[in-house]
Parts: sequence; C-alpha cells; structure tokens
Amino acid sequence: EAGVTQFPSHSVIEKGQTVTLRCDPISGHDNLYWYRRVMGKEIKFLLHFVKESKQDESGMPNNRFLAERTGGTYSTLKVQPAELEDSGVYFCASSRLGMGEKLFFGSGTQLSVL
Amino acid sequence: DQQVKQNSPSLSVQEGRISILNCDYTNSMFDYFLWYKKYPAEGPTFLISISSIKDKNEDGRFTVFLNKSAKHLSLHIVPSQPGDSAVYFCAARTSNTGKLIFGQGTTLQVKP
Repeated sequence: EAGVTQFPSHSVIEKGQTVTLRCDPISGHDNLYWYRRVMGKEIKFLLHFVKESKQDESGMPNNRFLAERTGGTYSTLKVQPAELEDSGVYFCASSRLGMGEKLFFGSGTQLSVL
Repeated sequence: DQQVKQNSPSLSVQEGRISILNCDYTNSMFDYFLWYKKYPAEGPTFLISISSIKDKNEDGRFTVFLNKSAKHLSLHIVPSQPGDSAVYFCAARTSNTGKLIFGQGTTLQVKP
C-alpha cells in the first residue's frame, strides 16, 4: 500500500510569490489533514477534509492560505502571497473514517520563504 | 495557548537503559492520547496510544502511562536501542473533533 505522498519535498520562494503544495493521501482514506511545523516547534493543525468537504479549517493562519480537495482525492494547499513567517515544514496526513486519530503522515514539504 | 506541552527538548540515554519521555496537557476534554516518532526528513509515524479511560497501555518495549488527575502522560521505552533515536511527539484529541493537538517534541538520543 502506497503511503501519503507530498510534492514538492522542498520549495524555496521569495516573499510575495505563490506556492502550491500537493498531497496524495492513502487510497481509501477519506480524512485528510494539513499540519505545519515551524522552526522546531509543535506540529500545528491547519485544516481537516472529510472527502471533499472542509470539516475544520480553524487552524488556517489567514486568507493567504487556500486548501482544496476536489473530488475527494488529492489535496492542494496554496499560499498566495507568501510571507517570511510561512516558512516551515508542511505535513499532510490521512486516515480512514472512524480512525481519525491514527494518522498516516507524508514526509512533508519544506517551505523556505526568503 | 499551548494545550500539549513537552518541556524537555532533548533526552540522552545509554543503550539498554530506560527512556522516559514526558508530556503535560491542560485541556480536560482530551479523551485520547498518542505518541508519534519522527526521523529526520520523514513524517511522524504512529507509535502507541491510550484512551482516557485507561491508565496504562503497553506494546512491546513501549508503555504509555496516563495520570488524568495530574494531566500528565509519559512514554517509557525499555530497553532503549540506538534505532529509537528520533523526535517523539505527544498528541491529544477530543472526541468531538478529528484534529490532533501536538506538543513541541522531545529529541531522544540513545547512545551505543
């Protein structure tokens, strides 16, 4: 069974540019989460999809962040325009319905905004 | 307002000895607790969990203890092995939400 796949693994952009991160969850996993870890701190929740619907987006920092999950399969997280404080590792995780607490994480996207 | 705290950024133990990683939480509504392990350049992987109705859960070399009155949980690894060297995250969840709240992580180094 393929794991959670994230692309790209690294992204270096300048302040003001746009970046789109992609996540392919494990097949059959309806729950999809985005998390972010900044500078060795805690892993912070961003949002939660159940299939294509946003279940909880309370962790999204501001309206510069836009997440989509069209068709309930892969998800994208777009940051536009990027700011310096957006730098960090963005993790995607997925799980089956009813097993929401045991998340399977991708390797993350290291985003550096210069 | 950090609801899950791991106050020790790092821990170093000798191979074969016990590793004890600690975690404190503030939200009494948390009903499920988990530990994740993370190697460099990889995502966190699930290690062990415990429901709030229990005070201990054991899986091989790993045991998690929960003290609800103190709002404290700990992960014991015995015996520790060099391959256990990683960052360990404590996480918690309430029953009415799917999201996990993570601590800052503790970097464990097991010396041969």
